[in-house]
Amino acid sequence: ETGVTQTPRHLVMGMTNKKSLKCEQHLGHNAMYWYKQSAKKPLELMFVYNFKEQTENNSVPSRFSPECPNSSHLFLHLHTLQPEDSALYLCASSQGTGNPYEQYFGPGTRLTVT
Amino acid sequence: AQSVTQLDSQVPVFEEAPVELRCNYSSSVSVYLFWYVQYPNQGLQLLLKYLSGSTLVKGINGFEAEFNKSQTSFHLRKPSVHISDTAEYFCAVSSDGTGFQKLVFGTGTRLLVSP
Repeated sequence: ETGVTQTPRHLVMGMTNKKSLKCEQHLGHNAMYWYKQSAKKPLELMFVYNFKEQTENNSVPSRFSPECPNSSHLFLHLHTLQPEDSALYLCASSQGTGNPYEQYFGPGTRLTVT
Repeated sequence: AQSVTQLDSQVPVFEEAPVELRCNYSSSVSVYLFWYVQYPNQGLQLLLKYLSGSTLVKGINGFEAEFNKSQTSFHLRKPSVHISDTAEYFCAVSSDGTGFQKLVFGTGTRLLVSP
């Protein structure tokens, strides 16, 4: 059970495809995050949005393009990905970005780039 | 910059036995500490957190952790594990500072509980 949903749960795409990941939070939070989870590596923070404004971009390649139309929805647009981009992409939300804060995670989208 | 070390990538244990998952961190400032659990095919769920006060923190599902500032550790313990505790456990740290403070995660420890 989660207040953060992600679709699709699984995605296979070729390197020339364009696809989008969607995240929706039902918790009334103001901040949303994208993380990348690769095997044997720590979670990598990709982007942070607070009140729909991007506040953090952790040197993510431009083939990943986030969009946050409102505080409840977050998208990650993908194009011309590389095989090393295959990973679990997790969305999270929190009440705000002020410290301390608890992040609530979605189930993730398992992405495979062929 | 902060970092988190989870030395054990995998911990096998029998059901009803006690378990300790180790977490050490490095930081030059005061920190907040978290343990998250990830069950198969699910996202991360907060188990417990240390913000201030008592160094022994109790969380959900019978887990607890102790903050040890001198040893820069935040080990997770459970006195008696169940099969259902099989999951990946992540330790995370953030700085006690103003503004956005990134959560820095360890590489995770897979707890395998067998009958």
